[in-house]
Amino acid sequence: GQSLEQPSEVTAVEGAIVQINCTYQTSGFYGLSWYQQHDGGAPTFLSYNALDGLEETGRFSSFLSRSDSYGYLLLQELQMKDSASYFCAVRPYNAGNNRKLIWGLGTSLAVNP
Amino acid sequence: DSGVTQTPKHLITATGQRVTLRCSPRSGDLSVYWYQQSLDQGLQFLIQYYNGEERAKGNILERFSAQQFPDLHSELNLSSLELGDSALYFCASSVELDVGETQYFGPGTRLLVL
Repeated sequence: GQSLEQPSEVTAVEGAIVQINCTYQTSGFYGLSWYQQHDGGAPTFLSYNALDGLEETGRFSSFLSRSDSYGYLLLQELQMKDSASYFCAVRPYNAGNNRKLIWGLGTSLAVNP
Repeated sequence: DSGVTQTPKHLITATGQRVTLRCSPRSGDLSVYWYQQSLDQGLQFLIQYYNGEERAKGNILERFSAQQFPDLHSELNLSSLELGDSALYFCASSVELDVGETQYFGPGTRLLVL
């Protein structure tokens, strides 16, 4: 089967760095995406890794290692507004023409003062 | 603002009833996806349409159905509603130019079944 695993909750303080891991069991996929969702809001796209390595976008970076079946989202200089849920998602090769994403259950990040 | 619109924003109805949720994708996007998110749960993929045709099915109940119209807007029909159908229903759209394209989510419809 195909599944993504993330920690359910992470807590950090303002200004700190936090890493949210995503491990997966899937035969192959096009890339790893990360989405952010604030309470009651819509998920919004953060980053996409098609290749192994680090992608940096401002305070957020995302990493993928296909050989280790592992990826992570790194949030630096944490701010209170970063308190949200973070989801990783992949599109399996065997999805064919459809663009269905396999989603993790999400990590709830709480940033404390 | 993602450019994806959903109506209504809130819906309260009774068990056994039928409701229709509506989604308009971003201009130029051909794919529409429907998701269900129950309280404190992750996103459950329901169904995807591409240019009017069903492309993929997820965990969609037989009581639920969807369609995408020629103008690319989509509707999700939920019938014989049960208490457990209370959830946030999101629509997302993408352009499908390449395999890494982003999905843009609408604000969601919050459904409460009493």
